[in-house]
Amino acid sequence: EDQVTQSPEALRLQEGESSSLNCSYTVSGLRGLFWYRQDPGKGPEFLFTLYSAGEEKEKERLKATLTKKESFLHITAPKPEDSATYLCAAGSNYQLIWGAGTKLIIKP
Amino acid sequence: DGGITQSPKYLFRKEGQNVTLSCEQNLNHDAMYWYRQDPGQGLRLIYYSQIVNDFQKGDIAEGYSVSREKKESFPLTVTSAQKNPTAFYLCASSIVRSDQPQHFGDGTRLSIL
Repeated sequence: EDQVTQSPEALRLQEGESSSLNCSYTVSGLRGLFWYRQDPGKGPEFLFTLYSAGEEKEKERLKATLTKKESFLHITAPKPEDSATYLCAAGSNYQLIWGAGTKLIIKP
Repeated sequence: DGGITQSPKYLFRKEGQNVTLSCEQNLNHDAMYWYRQDPGQGLRLIYYSQIVNDFQKGDIAEGYSVSREKKESFPLTVTSAQKNPTAFYLCASSIVRSDQPQHFGDGTRLSIL
């Protein structure tokens, strides 16, 4: 059964304290691994797509990486405005399989 | 600016009542989707459509109905048969390829009176 698991459920960091969020997936025929950011009361905002193991993409303080079993979202020197829930999803057979998200809180 | 518009932002349903959530997109995407989001859970697919006048059930279609009469519009009706409708509903659209990202509206929060 296709499945996506994110960890941890919640992560509290001090401003400037770097860390990583994990997205483990079991999907037959992965068509893409997607990362989104979601603010409270808003829809998910697309961040990255990764297609093959070893691929990396960066945007400001965020870097996403992909292996054959998991993806990591690395956040470097985060700021309070990076606080949000980060969702990952695996593309398979014209559908996305979603993880439950990691709630990231950055304290000033 | 291109995007997806969901309305209303908040909606209240009485017992036994059907309610309809609106979703309009001007991204010229063929595929549209409806998801339900509950606290602590991943997004769950209700219905999706890859072309006008055609749609398929997702994982949790019971108690919901949709129509796709226009490319730009994909309304969702929450019927009285849906016994636990309180949730955050998200509409998305994309190019019809599973390697392309979906783009989302800002959601409708449905509550029971």
